[in-house]
Amino acid sequence: RKEVEQDPGPFNVPEGATVAFNCTYSNSASQSFFWYRQDCRKEPKLLMSVYSSGNEDGRFTAQLNRASQYISLLIRDSKLSDSATYLCVERSGGSNYKLTFGKGTLLTVNP
Amino acid sequence: DAGVTQSPTHLIKTRGQQVTLRCSPKSGHDTVSWYQQALGQGPQFIFQYYEEEERQRGNFPDRFSGHQFPNYSSELNVNALLLGDSALYLCASSPLKPGQRSYEQYFGPGTRLTVT
Repeated sequence: RKEVEQDPGPFNVPEGATVAFNCTYSNSASQSFFWYRQDCRKEPKLLMSVYSSGNEDGRFTAQLNRASQYISLLIRDSKLSDSATYLCVERSGGSNYKLTFGKGTLLTVNP
Repeated sequence: DAGVTQSPTHLIKTRGQQVTLRCSPKSGHDTVSWYQQALGQGPQFIFQYYEEEERQRGNFPDRFSGHQFPNYSSELNVNALLLGDSALYLCASSPLKPGQRSYEQYFGPGTRLTVT
């Protein structure tokens, strides 16, 4: 089983739609989680950190379920500019930590 | 405030050659991590440097080595290049301080390495 698995996608949604991505992780000792977005041929950019049961930032809501070992990202009122690959990331290892990335889920928001 | 910078942006090498990639972390950051991203995949962790020492390593062979300098900048060296080493190499920096924000990593634009 891969350490971090994401919805394979791709997702194609109209502007204004609500879309949710799911991610599961295998390391029960994982300490924190992140969502990054990556535009085509660009570097990943931090979208949200997920430290406890979840958090919200504008149209974006991230949730963490430690019992079931999954994380989700909800995007409301999708914009064309939300089109990107969304990467689920898990942190482990304490102060000498490493980040483990999922394969990513491609989202295309259509006009 | 300059972000993470990497050089070169693109590189073409031949099998068997050696390559050195460079990274300067974001101002105020002292930890540097390196990642390899193949096409269609998420970034794969190579190693992390802090206080000029390798602190954590992913599943990469010894052909991959690195260094961190006193000014926190870092190099990634790859020896005996293979075709499969062709990828985008990303550097990320983060502050190592107490508190929740210390583990957030900020990426540079990457170096695209092609091995022929």
